[in-house]
Amino acid sequence: AQKVTQAQTEISVVEKEDVTLDCVYETRDTTYYLFWYKQPPSGELVFLIRRNSFDEQNEISGRYSWNFQKSTSSFNFTITASQVVDSAVYFCALRTWNTGFQKLVFGTGTRLLVST
Amino acid sequence: DAGVIQSPRHEVTEMGQEVTLRCKPISGHNSLFWYRQTMMRGLELLIYFNNNVPIDDSGMPEDRFSAKMPNASFSTLKIQPSEPRDSAVYFCASSPPEGGQGYTFGSGTRLTVV
Repeated sequence: AQKVTQAQTEISVVEKEDVTLDCVYETRDTTYYLFWYKQPPSGELVFLIRRNSFDEQNEISGRYSWNFQKSTSSFNFTITASQVVDSAVYFCALRTWNTGFQKLVFGTGTRLLVST
Repeated sequence: DAGVIQSPRHEVTEMGQEVTLRCKPISGHNSLFWYRQTMMRGLELLIYFNNNVPIDDSGMPEDRFSAKMPNASFSTLKIQPSEPRDSAVYFCASSPPEGGQGYTFGSGTRLTVV
């Protein structure tokens, strides 16, 4: 079975602080993909990043960075110098290859509140 | 590209009425997914289609829920009869044939059953 755990329900930070959102996943598949999505207050789900199981390189995109560690089954997301516009619910998700068809399994999300 | 288009954006209906939610996936995407989001249960996968064929409907909560995909550019999710506990945001998403691609989500339909 596939499972994604986001243990942090809600995080509150002050602008310009760095914040890390944790994601731990479970799967027996050797081929899988990990994702992060952002859901701002307006409600849409916005794709942020995808990482496949064979690529453990960390990635940086502006103020965002992602740390993928297969040894701990984690795919953590860090926002540097947070801004109020970063306030949203962030979802980690897992997609495995099972008989050629793919389902995206979401964690329960972490609500990030960035205040001034 | 217009993205995944869902209609209506908001729906308020009375208990017992039939509700139909609609989705137009991105052209060229061959997988389509229906999710439901509630505060209590988060994002739940209801059903997904691959090449217009339903692959897994194990997430459909009850027989009151049904989904169809008559062609590659259109899908519906129907609830008949609707109940207040069906109130949620329903998202449609599509993804391309290439393995490992992320989904593109529609803006969602906020359903309120009173």
